[in-house]
Amino acid sequence: EIVLTQSPATLSLSPGDRATLSCRASQSVNTYLAWYQQKPGQAPRLLFYDASNRASDIPARFSGSGSGTDFTLTISGLEPEDFAFYYCQQRSNWPLTFGGGTRVEIK
Amino acid sequence: EVQLVESGGGLVQPGGSLRLSCVGYGFSISDFWMHWVRQSPGKGPVWVSRIKSDGTITSIADSVKGRFTISRDNAKNTLFLQMNGLRVEDTAVYYCAREVRYDSRNYYGGAAAYWGQGTLVTVSS
Repeated sequence: EIVLTQSPATLSLSPGDRATLSCRASQSVNTYLAWYQQKPGQAPRLLFYDASNRASDIPARFSGSGSGTDFTLTISGLEPEDFAFYYCQQRSNWPLTFGGGTRVEIK
Repeated sequence: EVQLVESGGGLVQPGGSLRLSCVGYGFSISDFWMHWVRQSPGKGPVWVSRIKSDGTITSIADSVKGRFTISRDNAKNTLFLQMNGLRVEDTAVYYCAREVRYDSRNYYGGAAAYWGQGTLVTVSS
């Protein structure tokens, strides 16, 4: 099973700040990595798939990059609605696995 | 507008069974891989199962193998998850989800772009 390790566990930032979230895979997943945002009581929302393909209606302040084992989600200027949990997820091998998540909280 | 509506959750005793359904609106599920993902309270999501657009390929998590079965009825635009031998640890919100892109030859789905609202399954005596 591919293990995804996300860091940091919590990111305390202010609106307007830049957020950089990391996801590291225990073995190469090529570019088969997705990022999701989740708010309490809601289903996850796809942000990026295959590392850098932006999903529908995702604002340009979000960007995804990486390949192999190291991936990054960047939010260039945090808006109030961006404070949430973020998960990475690989589709390279079954079982599909999620990282442990990063909580982006208001400082 | 793409919409997924789950039903079938509820309270069940350990060892019991439930059948979850998920109806797709605004698209034809026959064009997409479909998925079930669950999330226990306060925990991250876990991928339970997936099924190819024509139903010829399925994958199931080890934790539910032999107890859960994914299936689909494309004519009714509906996805199913049959859950037998339920355990306390199966308690979770179960989401159905649609793949981000149209299915094609040699494609294995695993990026969920559209999600239902979730249905709560509680296993308790």
